[in-house]
Amino acid sequence: GQNIDQPTEMTATEGAIVQINCTYQTSGFNGLFWYQQHAGEAPTFLSYNVLDGLEEKGRFSSFLSRSKGYSYLLLKELQMKDSASYLCAVDDDYKLSFGAGTTVTVRA
Amino acid sequence: ETGVTQTPRHLVMGMTNKKSLKCEQHLGHNAMYWYKQSAKKPLELMFVYSLEERVENNSVPSRFSPECPNSSHLFLHLHTLQPEDSALYLCASSQDAGEAFFGQGTRLTVV
Repeated sequence: GQNIDQPTEMTATEGAIVQINCTYQTSGFNGLFWYQQHAGEAPTFLSYNVLDGLEEKGRFSSFLSRSKGYSYLLLKELQMKDSASYLCAVDDDYKLSFGAGTTVTVRA
Repeated sequence: ETGVTQTPRHLVMGMTNKKSLKCEQHLGHNAMYWYKQSAKKPLELMFVYSLEERVENNSVPSRFSPECPNSSHLFLHLHTLQPEDSALYLCASSQDAGEAFFGQGTRLTVV
């Protein structure tokens, strides 16, 4: 089966940086996604990594190491609106397998 | 029109009822998915349809029955559910195995 692990909760201060780690063991790999989900809303796409290295998109960056089965999502200059759940998902051929999500709470 | 639309947004049903969840995508995608999201648990993949054919059924109980009449529509038929089936049911679509676009979900409560 698939095994995707990420921390359950993280708390940070407004303006700070937070790094959410994700480790995975899956039968196949065609890329790794990060999604953001606010309470009561649908997950929305943040980033996609298929090659090793860092992908930067504004305040959010995502890193992938395929040999280590490891990714992280870096959130910079945190804002209150960044309080949400962040889901790591692995593209295993024709489907996405998700981690349980990391709830990030941003405090003033 | 939004990309992926789910109806109803909220549903309360008794254990003897029969109901259906509906999902419609306007993105021209060729794959559609049903996920179950329970509190504090990972999104659980239930069913995958690719080109209108079911390609994945993750050991889901038979009281959940999917239907994909065409590439734009996906249904989840529910009957004789249990209280533990109460959850948020999310529909998603993608082009092949690319980025998934999610609907707003149906919050299901079984009483």
